[in-house]
Amino acid sequence: QKEVEQNSGPLSVPEGAIASLNCTYSDRGSQSFFWYRQYSGKSPELIMSIYSNGDKEDGRFTAQLNKASQYVSLLIRDSQPSDSATYLCAVSSGGYNKLIFGAGTRLAVHP
Amino acid sequence: DTAVSQTPKYLVTQMGNDKSIKCEQNLGHDTMYWYKQDSKKFLKIMFSYNNKELIINETVPNRFSPKSPDKAHLNLHINSLELGDSAVYFCASSQDGASVSSYNEQFFGPGTRLTVL
Repeated sequence: QKEVEQNSGPLSVPEGAIASLNCTYSDRGSQSFFWYRQYSGKSPELIMSIYSNGDKEDGRFTAQLNKASQYVSLLIRDSQPSDSATYLCAVSSGGYNKLIFGAGTRLAVHP
Repeated sequence: DTAVSQTPKYLVTQMGNDKSIKCEQNLGHDTMYWYKQDSKKFLKIMFSYNNKELIINETVPNRFSPKSPDKAHLNLHINSLELGDSAVYFCASSQDGASVSSYNEQFFGPGTRLTVL
């Protein structure tokens, strides 16, 4: 069983729309949750971190966490072609901040 | 620039050779990590050091040996390289490795693309 699961996509959305990316995780003890963006050939770039249930907003990005359902999501409002990338969900559990990554969802924003 | 840096960016070598990848961070962080991203783009942790002490050691062949001379540097030495070692290796760092707060946010270096022929 995969520890962090994401739909591989591609998720295709028109410019200006809301992109919704989802992630589920298996370890109920997980405490820290992250979304990274990775452009092709580049390194992962941290977009959002979230630690408690509910929503966390930063600009056009909103992360949502539901620990009871073991579910974390990322909403991107007013999607731009420059948002086209692979979005990686990462979950940290236990001590020592060991990040378990999902396989990533490829997002394509078309003009 | 404050950042995590890695050298070299590209490494092409023959099977059986030994190679090293270097990582440095000037963010003042205490914890550093090595990740491997394979051809399917799956990113997996290999090692982590906190203030020069090994704290995470995943199931990695013992041909891979990390070394941390100080908390700003974490190097990765690979002996007897195999075809399956071809991947992109990322170094990352975080302020600390234990808190449940923004202090555990990990920031990645640019990666080293290793190709074993």
